[in-house]
Amino acid sequence: DVKVTQSSRYLVKRTGEKVFLECVQDMDHENMFWYRQDPGLGLRLIYFSYDVKMKEKGDIPEGYSVSREKKERFSLILESASTNQTSMYLCASKLQGERGYTFGSGTRLTVV
Amino acid sequence: QQQVKQSPQSLIVQKGGISIINCAYENTAFDYFPWYQQFPGKGPALLIAIRPDVSEKKEGRFTISFNKSAKQFSLHIMDSQPGDSATYFCAASMIGDSWGKLQFGAGTQVVVTP
Repeated sequence: DVKVTQSSRYLVKRTGEKVFLECVQDMDHENMFWYRQDPGLGLRLIYFSYDVKMKEKGDIPEGYSVSREKKERFSLILESASTNQTSMYLCASKLQGERGYTFGSGTRLTVV
Repeated sequence: QQQVKQSPQSLIVQKGGISIINCAYENTAFDYFPWYQQFPGKGPALLIAIRPDVSEKKEGRFTISFNKSAKQFSLHIMDSQPGDSATYFCAASMIGDSWGKLQFGAGTQVVVTP
């Protein structure tokens, strides 16, 4: 089974801090995604990457950036964390051309 | 603005009953409609998916019904069990989207009482 691992289960950060969320997949998937999950809003796409060093904005990219230097690793960066970025962050990956995603277990980020 | 509208937000069903969750969409370019199941503390996992060339797909106790003309699809959980208690998300992606990006509904929290 493909495994998608998010490095932290819970994070608490202060307003204005630079925050890094890490995601690693072990099955050579080309496509990787970052979503945030909020009650009543479902999952909203922040950024995705279709290959190493390639990235595209999703529906809500403001305040975020990403990095993909290696195929297995996709990082989400909050340049200056704000309280409205308190959320559950989910990473997912899939093979190019396939439709089904494999999700990680999520990182619950609280910005105080 | 959410491209996939999901209802209800939550539902409670007795063990052995039927859980029904509905989703609607406007974009006729959508051609793949999966359902994801999420247990507390876990990420969503693909449960079942359908394409618009079929009206129904069944896997065990889970059935997707699809109405192309109405632009609606639904998940039916037959003989609901306490282990089915989870949050369910419908989603859709577009034909021609090279990356298969999914648009998700808001989610439905299902509680199955013993």
